[in-house]
Order: sequence, then structure tokens, then C-alpha cells
Amino acid sequence: GENVEQHPSTLSVQEGDSAVIKCTYSDSASNYFPWYKQELGKGPQLIIDIRSNVGEKKDQRIAVTLNKTAKHFSLHITETQPEDSAVYFCAAAPRDDKIIFGKGTRLHILP
Amino acid sequence: EAGVAQSPRYKIIEKRQSVAFWCNPISGHATLYWYQQILGQGPKLLIQFQNNGVVDDSQLPKDRFSAERLKGVDSTLKIQPAKLEDSAVYLCASSSGNTIYFGEGSWLTVV
Repeated sequence: GENVEQHPSTLSVQEGDSAVIKCTYSDSASNYFPWYKQELGKGPQLIIDIRSNVGEKKDQRIAVTLNKTAKHFSLHITETQPEDSAVYFCAAAPRDDKIIFGKGTRLHILP
Repeated sequence: EAGVAQSPRYKIIEKRQSVAFWCNPISGHATLYWYQQILGQGPKLLIQFQNNGVVDDSQLPKDRFSAERLKGVDSTLKIQPAKLEDSAVYLCASSSGNTIYFGEGSWLTVV
């Protein structure tokens, strides 16, 4: 079955700098890659997603890139702000209604 | 649009006791999921329903966990008897197509 690896497990960046989180997946049939943000005490919230027919997608300060050949995808957050501090999960969907999560990256934005 | 509703938010029980969690998905979403999220890890799928039928329950510990979605809308997840290792957040989610939306979770502590 699908296996999603996520790195790093913890990331600290200075406010205003960029943060990059990387994920790899194993199942070449996966065609949908969402990213979720989870704040303390809350459920994961979808922040951006990308489908396999697109190499890059951007939404304000957040961008995702996908390399299907290498089976890896990344989340980029620019001009980080304190409210970006949270746990971020990547995921891959081997079929339409099923997604497999990575183990998460705890992002700390330092003042 | 109302989100995924879950209750109770917090529950503390002793081992060998039973507990039940309730979920009301987003209106019109045919697919409902229960995930288990242990502290510091990503969500792990326990069971997936399509309307009132089970699509995937391969990761559900069936000797102690059960779930139902009798009318294809609300769902309940039960644990009986609970073990210490069941301490986790139980996340309900629903989807229409690829995008999965999560509730705030039910936090279970087994002592």
C-alpha cells in the first residue's frame, strides 16, 4: 500500500524567513496530494492541495510543488508569521476517497 | 456551511470501561471516516463508510472497536473495553470527492 514519508519532523525558522517541508510517496497511482495544518486542540485543516497533472500551485504565501517522476512533493511557506506555527501533514491519495498521511512536521516560528 | 461535528470533545475513562463517540458529517457528504491520532503522529484511518456501507475497516481493531452509520448520515464509534494504548484523538471526517474535511476531534484519555 501507499507509504508517505515526511521530513523534517521539527522545523524552526525565524519570523519572515521561508519554511520548506518535504514528502515522498511510494504508490505511483497516487494522483492527489493535500496538505493539512493542525493547530493545538483542533482537527487538521486543508490548506492547499495539488493534483498529478500540475507541477506547482501557489496560494498567497503558500506553494506546493510535485515531482511525479521522483515521487516527491514539497510545501513552501514564505514570509513566515507567528500564526504559521502548527503541525503540518502531507498526504497522498492512492484512490479518490482514500488518503494516507505523513507523520507530520512541527513548525515553530521564532520571534 | 457547517463543518463536521463531533462529541464529546474530551473523555477520561478507566481501562476496561467503554466509550462512544458521535459524529455528524457535512451535509451531503456520502463518505465518512474515523481516524485515530496518537500524540505526535499523523492520523491513521480506522474505518471508512460510503453512505451506510463499510468501504475499509482493515485497520479497525475489531475485538474492541466498532462503528456504525445506520442511516448513512451520523456515525458512532465505540470502544469496549478500552486499553491504555487507546488514549488518542479520534477524528471524524467527511468528503465529497477527494477533499476530506475533519472535525475538531474527541480526545480520549484511558487511565
